Amino acid sequence: KAGVTQTPRYLIKTRGQQVTLSCSPISGHRSVSWYQQTPGQGLQFLFEYFSETQRNKGNFPGRFSGRQFSNSRSEMNVSTLELGDSALYLCASSLTGWGGANVLTFGAGSRLTVL
Amino acid sequence: KNEVEQSPQNLTAQEGEFITINCSYSVGISALHWLQQHPGGGIVSLFMLSSGKKKHGRLIATINIQEKHSSLHITASHPRDSAVYICAVTGNQFYFGTGTSLTVIP
Repeated sequence: KAGVTQTPRYLIKTRGQQVTLSCSPISGHRSVSWYQQTPGQGLQFLFEYFSETQRNKGNFPGRFSGRQFSNSRSEMNVSTLELGDSALYLCASSLTGWGGANVLTFGAGSRLTVL
Repeated sequence: KNEVEQSPQNLTAQEGEFITINCSYSVGISALHWLQQHPGGGIVSLFMLSSGKKKHGRLIATINIQEKHSSLHITASHPRDSAVYICAVTGNQFYFGTGTSLTVIP
């Protein structure tokens, strides 16, 4: 079966712009979670969506937002980009979410560079 | 304050050696995850534990809930095991360790 698909894989933006990243989960998975990975901070949790509702949220400013559609596909948006937003953005899907007994399946990530 | 601490940060081993990576956490958890990340970024979930021990091939993961400690063991290490291994815990939040970079030399 198809894995978790993230698009785009690479993108370059300039400061002040906004960006939207997409994540298509494994078929049947209803939870999608998002993570930011940088060399300085490592992996950090952004948010988790389950059945179109944000269920958990990490400690990121309001410029970071997301949503989930009825087919479980999820998007995350970062507005007013800053240089520090340059990172690898990963999403993961699971059947019912990381609070339960489900293994996470990660996508390959979207690498964002902000100039 | 780091909710998840891993050790060692870097590890070099000869092929065939037995490897142990440790993870300690300070928060209440519902599960602990061991993740593997190869150069290029892709992350693979190796184990999810809430108690006891799990084994998959040459990999073994254990968790001691009372001591808030987990270990990942690799038996008969191989150069293809070279990667960054990340411990993460889920509870009210999702916390990640900083990772252990493993290099296995042929």
